[in-house]
Amino acid sequence: NAGVTQTPKFRILKIGQSMTLQCAQDMNHNYMYWYRQDPGMGLKLIYYSVGAGITDKGEVPNGYNVSRSTTEDFPLRLELAAPSQTSVYFCASSYVGGVSDTQYFGPGTRLTVL
Amino acid sequence: AQTVTQSQPEMSVQEAETVTLSCTYDTSESDYYLFWYKQPPSRQMILVIRQEAYKQQNATENRFSVNFQKAAKSFSLKISDSQLGDAAMYFCAQNRDDKIIFGKGTRLHILP
Repeated sequence: NAGVTQTPKFRILKIGQSMTLQCAQDMNHNYMYWYRQDPGMGLKLIYYSVGAGITDKGEVPNGYNVSRSTTEDFPLRLELAAPSQTSVYFCASSYVGGVSDTQYFGPGTRLTVL
Repeated sequence: AQTVTQSQPEMSVQEAETVTLSCTYDTSESDYYLFWYKQPPSRQMILVIRQEAYKQQNATENRFSVNFQKAAKSFSLKISDSQLGDAAMYFCAQNRDDKIIFGKGTRLHILP
């Protein structure tokens, strides 16, 4: 199993550009999450999904969109990139028990918006 | 608002010694889960240990153990026989509904 994979690893965007961060898991997990980690800070939840076709907002959803058309994939869309979105983005997944079970994290995507 | 507080931004410990990282949390729930995650320089988030609030026995995983004080809402992590590979950021976290709330982290340095 590859676990949770994220692409790209690094990306530089100009203000106003759009991009999609890809996340995939091959563990048949039904729960998936997107977090951002700002320098010196913990993780903040952007969006999460408890199953295909179901998504919900986390703490900091503004400026982002998600979709969950399959169990495996959970892409995160940035529509109009802003410098405040410079961060490291982590995708995570867990099994049926949700947060009571272990969350498996991807390696992260470092995004810089200039 | 539910919060998780780690009051020690950085700590250092001599190799082979024991170190304790502090964490307090705030919740009105009676049943919940608490976690310690490790983030080494590779940035990969790794679950170190978790505790179910209704279990009175403190969780242990090899050299890692917790001191869970439910009434005080305290959840500290003890690392015994510290090793160079333990150097990392450590995040305390607690679940809320379908989400997990993370503290700001403690950076642990291991001195050879």
